[in-house]
Amino acid sequence: NAGVTQTPKFRVLKTGQSMTLLCAQDMNHEYMYWYRQDPGMGLRLIHYSVGEGTTAKGEVPDGYNVSRLKKQNFLLGLESAAPSQTSVYFCASIKMNTGELFFGEGSRLTVL
Amino acid sequence: AQSVTQPDIHITVSEGASLELRCNYSYGATPYLFWYVQSPGQGLQLLLKYFSGDTLVQGIKGFEAEFKRSQSSFNLRKPSVHWSDAAEYFCAVGAVQGAQKLVFGQGTRLTINP
Repeated sequence: NAGVTQTPKFRVLKTGQSMTLLCAQDMNHEYMYWYRQDPGMGLRLIHYSVGEGTTAKGEVPDGYNVSRLKKQNFLLGLESAAPSQTSVYFCASIKMNTGELFFGEGSRLTVL
Repeated sequence: AQSVTQPDIHITVSEGASLELRCNYSYGATPYLFWYVQSPGQGLQLLLKYFSGDTLVQGIKGFEAEFKRSQSSFNLRKPSVHWSDAAEYFCAVGAVQGAQKLVFGQGTRLTINP
């Protein structure tokens, strides 16, 4: 039972490079989220999606783009990475009848 | 704007001692309240949640939390901690309806002394 899977788990980038983080969920959840976790700041919402083909901005969307072409996948892109985007990124999906978020194991990104 | 404050960044308790982790929230409507736990290198796992009804809620691993509307608090408790409870704990608040955009507190790191 995979749940929420994130790839890659680790990545080192140079400033200005681009990359995409992939999130896949096999629970048929409608809503999906991307959070970033930084020390002392908890988790902050970057973007979210309430269904296939729809996305919306969260609390800290600048420098990121997302796409939800398929219900089970939610992609987070960095077009031109900056050191301030060094963080651990978590994808989550929600089970609507319980309100419970299911998280992936995280993707640690370092931007040099 | 909604917010969550966890006043204690780091707490150390002895194994077998009782535990209380504090959480205060600011929210303009009826909130959903959650506690999540994160073990090192892992994602977050739901401990318990409050939507409505009984203000004392039971969760997994022997944890409980009490919703106090008058104090805007949702403190997490455990009568006797185990070494395996060492982790980081996050309180979160969300809307009763809508896109469920949870707002998380800063987290409290729990260390257990043997």
